[in-house]
Amino acid sequence: SAVISQKPSRDICQRGTSLTIQCQVDSQVTMMFWYRQQPGQSLTLIATANQGSEATYESGFVIDKFPISRPNLTFSTLTVSNMSPEDSSIYLCSVGRSGRIHEQYFGPGTRLTVT
Amino acid sequence: QKEVEQNSGPLSVPEGAIASLNCTYSDRGSQSFFWYRQYSGKSPELIMFIYSNGDKEDGRFTAQLNKASQYVSLLIRDSQPSDSATYLCAVPSGNTPLVFGKGTRLSVIA
Repeated sequence: SAVISQKPSRDICQRGTSLTIQCQVDSQVTMMFWYRQQPGQSLTLIATANQGSEATYESGFVIDKFPISRPNLTFSTLTVSNMSPEDSSIYLCSVGRSGRIHEQYFGPGTRLTVT
Repeated sequence: QKEVEQNSGPLSVPEGAIASLNCTYSDRGSQSFFWYRQYSGKSPELIMFIYSNGDKEDGRFTAQLNKASQYVSLLIRDSQPSDSATYLCAVPSGNTPLVFGKGTRLSVIA
C-alpha cells in the first residue's frame, strides 16, 4: 500500500470562497481519485484525476465547481469553488495501481465546514 | 446509477460471536466486490475482495459471493471489540471504479 497525505486536514471556510485540497503519495501511482463523504453518508466519487489531462467527472459533479489538477504521478489537487454550506463534507483522495484500480487506498481526508 | 444496498445497522454482537454483514448490488455485470472498514473519524481501509462465486477466507474474515442472487456478505468470526466499525461494501459499476454502499455499523460488545 502507499502512504498518502492530505492538506489541510480540516478547515472552516466562508460561503462563496474556494479551498484547494492537496493529496501527496509517497510513490508513483496510476490512478488517483477524489471522493466526498457527507455527514452520516457513504463515499461518493467526484472524479478520477488523470495525469496530464482533464479529470473524468462522475454524474452530478462539474469541473467549474470541482476543478482538479494532477501534474504528476504522485500529486493531485481538488478545489471546492464558490462554497456553500452544502459543501460541508469530508473530502478524501484515494489511489489505485494499474490493473488493480478497485483496490484503493485512501488518504486521511480533509474535513471541510462551510459557514 | 447502479446501486449497492446495505443494512445501516447498528448490528450488535457479543464478543466472540460471528458477525454477518450483507450487501446486495444491482449491476449484474459486476465482476469484483470489495469490503472496506472505516473506524469512526478515520478513512476507509480495504480488508477483503472477492471475484469468484463461493467463499474466500482471510484470517477471521470470510467473504461470500453469490452472483446469481447478486449478494455478497462478510463474516467476521470470533468478533472483537476492535472490530467495531462501519463496514462498506463497494462494487465497480460501468465506468465508475467503485460504487459504495452506505455501510453497516458494527458494534461488538465485550
